[in-house]
Amino acid sequence: AQKVTQAQTEISVVEKEDVTLDCVYETRDTTYYLFWYKQPPSGELVFLIRRNSFDEQNEISGRYSWNFQKSTSSFNFTITASQVVDSAVYFCALSSGSWGKLQFGAGTQVVVTP
Amino acid sequence: DAGITQSPRYKITETGRQVTLMCHQTWSHSYMFWYRQDLGHGLRLIYYSAAADITDKGEVPDGYVVSRSKTENFPLTLESATRSQTSVYFCASSELGLAGGETQYFGPGTRLLVL
Repeated sequence: AQKVTQAQTEISVVEKEDVTLDCVYETRDTTYYLFWYKQPPSGELVFLIRRNSFDEQNEISGRYSWNFQKSTSSFNFTITASQVVDSAVYFCALSSGSWGKLQFGAGTQVVVTP
Repeated sequence: DAGITQSPRYKITETGRQVTLMCHQTWSHSYMFWYRQDLGHGLRLIYYSAAADITDKGEVPDGYVVSRSKTENFPLTLESATRSQTSVYFCASSELGLAGGETQYFGPGTRLLVL
């Protein structure tokens, strides 16, 4: 069975602080994919990043960075120098198998105050 | 480029009524999915489809029915709505991928309240 755990329910920071969101996953498959989605207050789900299980190279994209470690089954996400517009719920998700079904974590609410 | 749309965006209904939520995508994606979002649960998969006339159950299918007669449409029907089906419903679609890792793109969601 697949499982995604986002242990942090809510994180509150002041603008310009860094914030790291934790994601731990469980799967028996050797080929799988990990995703991060953002859900701003307006409610839509915005795709941020996709990683496959064979690519552990960490990535930086602007103020966002991702740390994928297979040894600890973690796929953490960091926002550097947070801004008010980063306030949202962030979801980590796991996919494996031919159908591409996503298993979501419960989400982490990020609140950035000025 | 419309992408993926859902209708209605908001719906109030009563217990026992039948409700159909519509999903339409313009990308010709093979895969389509229905999720429900409830506080504390993230998103949970209700049904999915790999192509027209090919559908299967997800994690929480009870009380729901789907059909897919055309590639671009994937309606979700609540046959007899219950209060526990009050939720936000998201439709998603993705391209056909051999290993199942294609990115899913989501519609704007439908907020359903069952009284």
